[in-house]
Amino acid sequence: AQTVTQSQPEMSVQEAETVTLSCTYDTSESNYYLFWYKQPPSRQMILVIRQEAYKQQNATENRFSVNFQKAAKSFSLKISDSQLGDTAMYFCAFMKHGGKSTFGDGTTLTVKP
Amino acid sequence: GAGVSQTPSNKVTEKGKYVELRCDPISGHTALYWYRQSLGQGPEFLIYFQGTGAADDSGLPNDRFFAVRPEGSVSTLKIQRTERGDSAVYLCASSLRGRGGRNNEQFFGPGTRLTVL
Repeated sequence: AQTVTQSQPEMSVQEAETVTLSCTYDTSESNYYLFWYKQPPSRQMILVIRQEAYKQQNATENRFSVNFQKAAKSFSLKISDSQLGDTAMYFCAFMKHGGKSTFGDGTTLTVKP
Repeated sequence: GAGVSQTPSNKVTEKGKYVELRCDPISGHTALYWYRQSLGQGPEFLIYFQGTGAADDSGLPNDRFFAVRPEGSVSTLKIQRTERGDSAVYLCASSLRGRGGRNNEQFFGPGTRLTVL
């Protein structure tokens, strides 16, 4: 079975600063996908960024980037130039090739003006 | 509708009653997922459909939970003899394809908040 651990229940960052959210996972699968999702207080989950495990290059999406360390089973999210709208709960998720997903318990991020 | 929709948005029921929760995926999405999210936790996988068939139902907690997707589009999650511990937000997601590749991004609905009194 897969497990996903987010060790930071809460974090805060000043507007325009950079913050990194941690995620580690455990799996025996060799082919899988990793995701970061954002869930604002309105509760609709939105994909932030995805990473295919077979790709060595770290994924980037505008202000969002990941540090994927496959051997260490680590998948952290870096948010640059933080904005007030980034305030939300962030979930790290693992998807095995067959489609089943496992989510961490989330990190609540607060961006302060 | 461009997104995943779920009805009802809120459901209050009494212990022991039967409930049905509905999910309308994005048109053309072959994969559909159900999750349960308790307060302060991440979504917990329940079941995954590829087309009409349940490709993985290993997350269903017991035989009181059942889900169908008869025509490969709309899905219904059915809970019999509800218990207070079933109270949670039930999330549905769909993706163009369920397996590997670029098309496995999941699009989530707003959820149904189930309260069992």
